[in-house]
Amino acid sequence: QKEVEQDPGPLSVPEGAIVSLNCTYSNSAFQYFMWYRQYSRKGPELLMYTYSSGNKEDGRFTAQVDKSSKYISLFIRDSQPSDSATYLCAYGGANFNKFYFGSGTKLNVKP
Amino acid sequence: DVKVTQSSRYLVKRTGEKVFLECVQDMDHENMFWYRQDPGLGLRLIYFSYDVKMKEKGDIPEGYSVSREKKERFSLILESASTNQTSMYLCASSLGAGRNEQFFGPGTRLTVL
Repeated sequence: QKEVEQDPGPLSVPEGAIVSLNCTYSNSAFQYFMWYRQYSRKGPELLMYTYSSGNKEDGRFTAQVDKSSKYISLFIRDSQPSDSATYLCAYGGANFNKFYFGSGTKLNVKP
Repeated sequence: DVKVTQSSRYLVKRTGEKVFLECVQDMDHENMFWYRQDPGLGLRLIYFSYDVKMKEKGDIPEGYSVSREKKERFSLILESASTNQTSMYLCASSLGAGRNEQFFGPGTRLTVL
């Protein structure tokens, strides 16, 4: 079983739609969760970083962690064509520097 | 802003060559990482370092070695490049001491012929 599972997509939505991206993970002891955005042929860019459960909001982006179901989500409101990218989830433990990454969901926002 | 730079964006090497990939971060981060990224396989950790001259194997260290002589610089070495090492190589760093979010460089796309 992979540490973290992520639907590869592609996910295609019209501009202005609300996007929901999701991952499931296996190790309930881990507390740190991250979302990255990666444009084609570029390095991943950190979008959101959360600790433990709950929601965190930053502009149009909301990260949500549900530890009871081992589910992490990223919501994008009012999606824009510039949001078209691959989104990677990642998680890890407080005492370890090692994080596990999903394989990424490719998002296409159509104008 | 954290800046992580990698020595080359694109690199083409021949089978059997020794390859050096360099990574530099400018934010005094304790931890540095090397990953490779392949379609369908995601990011896989090759090696990481939590201090100068310290290193730990990741999930796929075979065929690779690393060097960290200075805090800001972390090198990945392919001792004898093979075609199955053709990949995107990503370097990352994190502050440490509970601040574990990782910041990535732009990546090096390595092709081994």
